[in-house]
Amino acid sequence: DADVTQTPRNRITKTGKRIMLECSQTKGHDRMYWYRQDPGLGLRLIYYSFDVKDINKGEISDGYSVSRQAQAKFSLSLESAIPNQTALYFCATSDSAGAEAFFGQGTRLTVV
Amino acid sequence: DQQVKQNSPSLSVQEGRISILNCDYTNSMFDYFLWYKKYPAEGPTFLISISSIKDKNEDGRFTVFLNKSAKHLSLHIVPSQPGDSAVYFCAASWGRAGKSTFGDGTTLTVKP
Repeated sequence: DADVTQTPRNRITKTGKRIMLECSQTKGHDRMYWYRQDPGLGLRLIYYSFDVKDINKGEISDGYSVSRQAQAKFSLSLESAIPNQTALYFCATSDSAGAEAFFGQGTRLTVV
Repeated sequence: DQQVKQNSPSLSVQEGRISILNCDYTNSMFDYFLWYKKYPAEGPTFLISISSIKDKNEDGRFTVFLNKSAKHLSLHIVPSQPGDSAVYFCAASWGRAGKSTFGDGTTLTVKP
């Protein structure tokens, strides 16, 4: 089984719909992250969390919200999806500052 | 302003030769630098990292060099193998948050 699991892997949704992307990890790490990747670009940080009670905005948090339900679970929500949120979304975990991050396989989201 | 830049979108090398991937950064506060490799339809996977107190780190065929005065790092792959063909991301982090800022990636193609 993968250390970091994202569901769904692919999703097509309509403009204005609410959608949730889920992430779970078995690494036992406290830190979890949500990134977005657009074609030809690097990964941009949406939100990050140090533990269940510590959630922080990243560089592109507008239009997104997150929930850290448990140490192992970190979900990303789009309250009202719009077409420019069409992208590849990655969840990641790490155990400390500067340490390597472990990524999920990604969720390809298309908003039509 | 992009703090981590990979100015070469693509690189093509012959099998057995050296691959050199470059990365420049602007934030002198960065204290960890990481390289990730990404295959299509997969999440990024960690390759090698270097602390800002070092100028070189080696792991098998992979070596990362850091030039702090020039705010430049490079990844050397010797010898290059066809299986190394992937997108390589440079990332940098600093402070307690440890959240990484990514470059846009360089697509490496190793020809047999």
